[in-house]
Amino acid sequence: EAGVTQFPSHSVIEKGQTVTLRCDPISGHDNLYWYRRVMGKEIKFLLHFVKESKQDESGMPNNRFLAERTGGTYSTLKVQPAELEDSGVYFCASSPGLADTQYFGPGTRLTVL
Amino acid sequence: RKEVEQDPGPFNVPEGATVAFNCTYSNSASQSFFWYRQDCRKEPKLLMSVYSSGNEDGRFTAQLNRASQYISLLIRDSKLSDSATYLCVVPPGAGGYNKLIFGAGTRLAVHP
Repeated sequence: EAGVTQFPSHSVIEKGQTVTLRCDPISGHDNLYWYRRVMGKEIKFLLHFVKESKQDESGMPNNRFLAERTGGTYSTLKVQPAELEDSGVYFCASSPGLADTQYFGPGTRLTVL
Repeated sequence: RKEVEQDPGPFNVPEGATVAFNCTYSNSASQSFFWYRQDCRKEPKLLMSVYSSGNEDGRFTAQLNRASQYISLLIRDSKLSDSATYLCVVPPGAGGYNKLIFGAGTRLAVHP
């Protein structure tokens, strides 16, 4: 069974540009999560989808971040406009049910110059 | 105070050594506790859940002390392949199971 996949694996952009990260969860997993690790800090929760609905977006840092999960399958996380402090590794995870193990994707390493 | 605190290490140990990691958490409502392992530049992977009575999985033993809000992970007979960062993870509980709260991780380096 395929795991969680994320695209791209790396992205280098300039401040002010827009970047869109994609996550494909494990097939059949209704729950999809985004997390972020900035340099030197712990991994932090950003938001949680149940199917196509945002269940919890309490971790989203500001309105420059927009997450979508149209159709309840893959999800995108758009950063517009990107700032230097957005650099870090963005992880996506999925789980079948709410209290089930979350399986993480390999992450997207974002560098904003 | 951070929600989940860990000793960052690094712990440098020889093969065959026993090593223990500690973690404290601040939310007394938390009901679930986990240890994840993260290899360099890889994703976190669940190592083991931590149960109230303590649990063992091969060379790994996890303990929970709710009164002290303290979790531990013991690794016996360390292998080179155990070198990684070990993340203590504590969801907030009380309906917050969706949101994993990570510690900063403890680095382990096992040398020959």
